[in-house]
Amino acid sequence: DAGVIQSPRHEVTEMGQEVTLRCKPISGHDYLFWYRQTMMRGLELLIYFNNNVPIDDSGMPEDRFSAKMPNASFSTLKIQPSEPRDSAVYFCASSLDTGIGQFFGPGTRLTVL
Amino acid sequence: GNSVTQMEGPVTLSEEAFLTINCTYTATGYPSLFWYVQYPGEGLQLLLKATKADDKGSNKGFEATYRKETTSFHLEKGSVQVSDSAVYFCALYSGAGSYQLTFGKGTKLSVIP
Repeated sequence: DAGVIQSPRHEVTEMGQEVTLRCKPISGHDYLFWYRQTMMRGLELLIYFNNNVPIDDSGMPEDRFSAKMPNASFSTLKIQPSEPRDSAVYFCASSLDTGIGQFFGPGTRLTVL
Repeated sequence: GNSVTQMEGPVTLSEEAFLTINCTYTATGYPSLFWYVQYPGEGLQLLLKATKADDKGSNKGFEATYRKETTSFHLEKGSVQVSDSAVYFCALYSGAGSYQLTFGKGTKLSVIP
């Protein structure tokens, strides 16, 4: 299995631009998670899906952030408009059952100038 | 609520030294416990896990025992290598209607030759 795939691996954009991050979970996994990692705040859960349905988005920082999962093999995290404080590494993870552990993608390093 | 407390780093050891990274938790019910490792520039990888009291998880020479009486899941390795340099995260999954993992803040390990 190829594991969780994320694209792009690096993104540099200017403040005010729209940013879209993409994730392909491991085939057959029912759960998909989006995390943000920064030096200051560590690893934060933004939102997670079960069977393509958003279950808990309480970690989404504000309305500028949105996430979708149109099918079992694809999810997006969108930031519009982006701000410099959004600079972070964004991870996607998937699991068959959270009780057995989540599998993380390599992350997208976002820099907003 | 659920929480995970890890020893603060960074931890610097010489090659072949003994490693212990402490982890204690607070959770409802009977959580599953995990250690994840993050190598520089990469996503988190599941290192080992234990799903019930007195279980020992092990992988790549690392071990951790689920101690319910002390609510602990300390990570140990008998002889570290330079390649073990990474950030280590302790995490728990409590179930109880939530599918989230609760992560500790991470402990950075540096192993010097």
